[in-house]
Amino acid sequence: QSVLTQPPSVSAAPGQKVTISCSGNSSNIANNYVSWYQQVPGAAPRLLIYDNNKRPSGIPDRFSGSKSGASATLGITGLQTGDEADYYCGTWDNSLSAVVFGGGTKLTVL
Amino acid sequence: EVQLLESGGGLVQPGGSLRLSCAASGFTFSNDAMGWVRQAPGKGLEWVSSFSALSSNTYYAESVKGRFTISRDTSKNTLYLQMDSLRAEDTAVYYCAKDFPVITHNAFDVWGQGTMVTVSS
Repeated sequence: QSVLTQPPSVSAAPGQKVTISCSGNSSNIANNYVSWYQQVPGAAPRLLIYDNNKRPSGIPDRFSGSKSGASATLGITGLQTGDEADYYCGTWDNSLSAVVFGGGTKLTVL
Repeated sequence: EVQLLESGGGLVQPGGSLRLSCAASGFTFSNDAMGWVRQAPGKGLEWVSSFSALSSNTYYAESVKGRFTISRDTSKNTLYLQMDSLRAEDTAVYYCAKDFPVITHNAFDVWGQGTMVTVSS
């Protein structure tokens, strides 16, 4: 059971938009920065979003992040087949003194 | 180029020990927090441990506390994870990851390729 809650799967057609939610509480998301990671099968995770809504260099602006209270959202526009991957949210948890991740969301581009 | 290269994984019997290494290059190793994240076969990411560059404090997931020890050697730009009393449920790919300097401002921005640890008799 993950500390952060994500939907197990989402799907959308190429060119469409999808959002992935990440729910936490006052010990984690509400009072800390959220990051998002993309992991394609067989590869290491890659940082997509940090500080709730910032993109590292090289990440296209089709990827966006937002946070409101104890929830965060990853948005992906102009979906491509190459976006098929598992997506994870993560943050620091003040009560656990630990990094916590969501259970991951599998994105299928139909 | 910023790079992390893990080594030390392998097959070990339950109750045994392994030491993972993570060689860092391309950035000032002593300035950034570092962590280990694992992924069991077919499962999601699980944070294991982190080392704070600013305070040298160490942090552990409850599942490994008392059995795993994280450390670093800044002269060798290398992060370590000493794993003792290994259990079958520790079987996973172990990733080394670079974090932001302030450990509570977490974001793993560079990841290694991972090293597989299999605990089995």
